Amino acid sequence: EAGVAQSPRYKIIEKRQSVAFWCNPISGHATLYWYQQILGQGPKLLIQFQNNGVVDDSQLPKDRYSAERLKGVDSTLKIQPAKLEDSAVYLCASSIRVQGGSQYFGPGTRLTVT
Amino acid sequence: ILNVEQSPQSLHVQEGDSTNFTCSFPSSNFYALHWYRWETAKSPEALFVMTLNGDEKKKGRISATLNTKEGYSYLYIKGSQPEDSATYLCAFDVIGQGGKLIFGQGTELSVKP
Repeated sequence: EAGVAQSPRYKIIEKRQSVAFWCNPISGHATLYWYQQILGQGPKLLIQFQNNGVVDDSQLPKDRYSAERLKGVDSTLKIQPAKLEDSAVYLCASSIRVQGGSQYFGPGTRLTVT
Repeated sequence: ILNVEQSPQSLHVQEGDSTNFTCSFPSSNFYALHWYRWETAKSPEALFVMTLNGDEKKKGRISATLNTKEGYSYLYIKGSQPEDSATYLCAFDVIGQGGKLIFGQGTELSVKP
């Protein structure tokens, strides 16, 4: 079974530029999550999708971050414009169950904003 | 604000040593406690999902226990090997929050040959 795919793996941009990350979850997983992991901290949930719909985006900085999930499968996360504090690893995860089951993570995208 | 704390933040051991880490979480609104292992440049890997007070789970040389009444979980590694070097994350699964995980900051384990 193929795992969660993410691209790119690494990205370096200047502040005020825009960037987009892509995620392809495990086939059949209805729930998709985007996490932000800043160095020295645990991953923090940015947004959760159930199929096409948003379940939780309470911690997404909506003035600069946006996310969508196309046809309930692939998802993109965009930052525009980027700030220095956006430097982090962005992890995508998917799961079959909404609660209580393991979330399966992709390898992440390491973003550096200079 | 729900807070999940892990200790120690980092640990350096010799090959063959046994080690353990702690995860502290709120004792209310508990649904499950997850443990993940995250090796550098790889995807975080699910180790255990624990739901019942007193749960004990084992996977090879790694085991975990759960105390939901006092809000802690221990992860044990018996006879550490260099390939066990990774960051170990615990995550609190809050009841009624649709699977949202609150992660601790992780324990970074380094095992020297």
